[in-house]
Amino acid sequence: QSALTQPASVSGSPGQSITISCTGTSSDVGSYNLVSWYQQHPGKAPKLMIYEVSKRPSGVSNRFSGSKSGNTASLTISGLQAEDEADYYCCSYAGSSTFPYVFGTGTKVTVL
Amino acid sequence: QVQLQESGPGLVKPSQTLSLTCTVSGGSISSGSYYWSWIRQPAGKGLEWIGRIYTSGSTNYNPSLKSRVTISVDTSKNQFSLKLSSVTAADTAVYYCARVDDYSIDYWGQGTLVTVSS
Repeated sequence: QSALTQPASVSGSPGQSITISCTGTSSDVGSYNLVSWYQQHPGKAPKLMIYEVSKRPSGVSNRFSGSKSGNTASLTISGLQAEDEADYYCCSYAGSSTFPYVFGTGTKVTVL
Repeated sequence: QVQLQESGPGLVKPSQTLSLTCTVSGGSISSGSYYWSWIRQPAGKGLEWIGRIYTSGSTNYNPSLKSRVTISVDTSKNQFSLKLSSVTAADTAVYYCARVDDYSIDYWGQGTLVTVSS
């Protein structure tokens, strides 16, 4: 069970939109609409931003949106703000054959 | 509002057993259909699942750690615990306890740094 692949870094200017990809396999991302995304600021615990591919928990800005196509899930941040600078991790359900969850490798988002 | 708090030694000697406890407040660990999990993060690196436990006591462990991991739950104390045996420097990390709601982690502890060193 390998980690999902994310770009190491993505950057954008304030107000722009950026997209972070999360590529898995037909055994995880491709098989289940159960991808979640987490934001982690330095020294802090991760925070749930998106669940079940595209659903936002209460209190999460609608600037954050998620989608999925085939084996790749994506997180889009629109209207980029300085406070969005953080690490982002995807996570997918991977069935019950071994261990049911797998994280992505993580992406550092930099606001220029 | 559910809160999770990790506790345990911050320094463990190589070959010994790392033991951490997560205390859940703001709700009963037995209520609802949740998995209670341990996740770790070495400095500057990504997140790694360690394992999860249901309140019935059923567990699932990351295959890469399975031979060394035990997760248990004490519903009377509203706590769940992690034991990781035969630790090495590679086990040095921030350890998080967390609640899994269906298939996503909705609550996290603040994390506790455990260093493996003699």
